This record gives sequence, C-alpha cells and structure tokens, in this order.
Amino acid sequence: DAKTTQPNSMESNEEEPVHLPCNHSTISGTDYIHWYRQLPSQGPEYVIHGLTSNVNNRMASLAIAEDRKSSTLILHRATLRDAAVYYCILRDLIIQGAQKLVFGQGTRLTINP
Amino acid sequence: EPEVTQTPSHQVTQMGQEVILRCVPISNHLYFYWYRQILGQKVEFLVSFYNNEISEKSEIFDDQFSVERPDGSNFTLKIRSTKLEDSAMYFCASSGWDRGETQYFGPGTRLLVL
Repeated sequence: DAKTTQPNSMESNEEEPVHLPCNHSTISGTDYIHWYRQLPSQGPEYVIHGLTSNVNNRMASLAIAEDRKSSTLILHRATLRDAAVYYCILRDLIIQGAQKLVFGQGTRLTINP
Repeated sequence: EPEVTQTPSHQVTQMGQEVILRCVPISNHLYFYWYRQILGQKVEFLVSFYNNEISEKSEIFDDQFSVERPDGSNFTLKIRSTKLEDSAMYFCASSGWDRGETQYFGPGTRLLVL
C-alpha cells in the first residue's frame, strides 16, 4: 500500500481556518486521496476525496498539489466539534469492489476555544 | 441519512468465551468490512466481505474469527474463543459499488475480555 505522512498533531483556534497537510510522494497515477476523521469515541467518518483537481464539499476542501505528491485538507472555519484525528489514505482507483482502508496514526487536531 | 448500526455497544466476556458482534450495514451497500482499534492504537483492518464470501483478510483474522451475513441485512463477526488481547473497539463498515467508494462506519462495539 502506498504510504502517507502526516504530522502527529496540530492545534488551532475556533473559527479560524485549519490546513492539515499530507505527503504521499509514492502515489501512483490511479490512487485516489481520501480523508477520514475520527471524533473522540466514535467510528471513522468520511470527509472528502479527490484524484487530481481540488474538491469542495460541505465539510471541507481538499487541495491537491499539481504533482499529486502532497495534499492539504482545509477546514475553513474550525469549530470545537472538528477536534478529531484526521487520516489521509490512498485508495487505488483500478481495484473494484471491497478495498480495505489502511489507517496510519493520522493528525490529532486540537481546537482551542 | 442512512447509517451503519452495531450491537451491542459494549460487551464484557470471560477469556475463552465466544462472542458475536452484530452490524446492520447500509441497505443498498454490497461490500462489508470489520476493523478493530485497540485502545490508543491505530484502526486496523480485519476482513472484507462481498457476495457471501471473504474478499480479503488480515493476519489478525485467524481461525478464531469468522464472519457471516446470515439474513441479507445483518453482518456478524464471531470470535470463537476470546483472548485478553482481543479487547478492542470493533467497527463495522459498508460501501457501495462505485470505484473509490467511501466506507461508512458504525459507532463500534467495545469488547472487553477479562
């Protein structure tokens, strides 16, 4: 499985933007970049995914570098409810069907009031 | 919004006992998964299941573990003879048919083996 590298922890203030980086220098051309998060005492939750272009949804934005070797998850206005561990995960586009998620340690995001 | 449900939320058992963890995936999903998370550690893949058979399993998923979709709606994980090291949070997930489809996770079952 292709690997991703994320900072262990980040801290931000409520109502400020948060940029969570992820390096994936060995990404292949067919890998999607997925982000999940895990709120305290809950199961992982899908946040966003993309392939080449930047993506936006109601939860976040995903900025993908032109060479696709890195990406940044952007929370535009963090709230206390965004405090979680954020995981950047690569998934192969070509593989059909059941495909496991390989979780790393992720980035533990702390939001200060 | 449809969601994955799991029962029980907590289970305490004695070492050597059998436990069955139950999950109801999202109704139109085709792919089903079990993951576990030992306290303070990473989420780890256990097994994936499609078309009534195991698609992939990890090294953790040994002969003590089995999965079943008994009635077209439930998806179960059975641990035949629990060990202390099986104590963990167990998450069920399901996904649809599209490539790159996201997985939806349940709230988990916290298993404690004494």
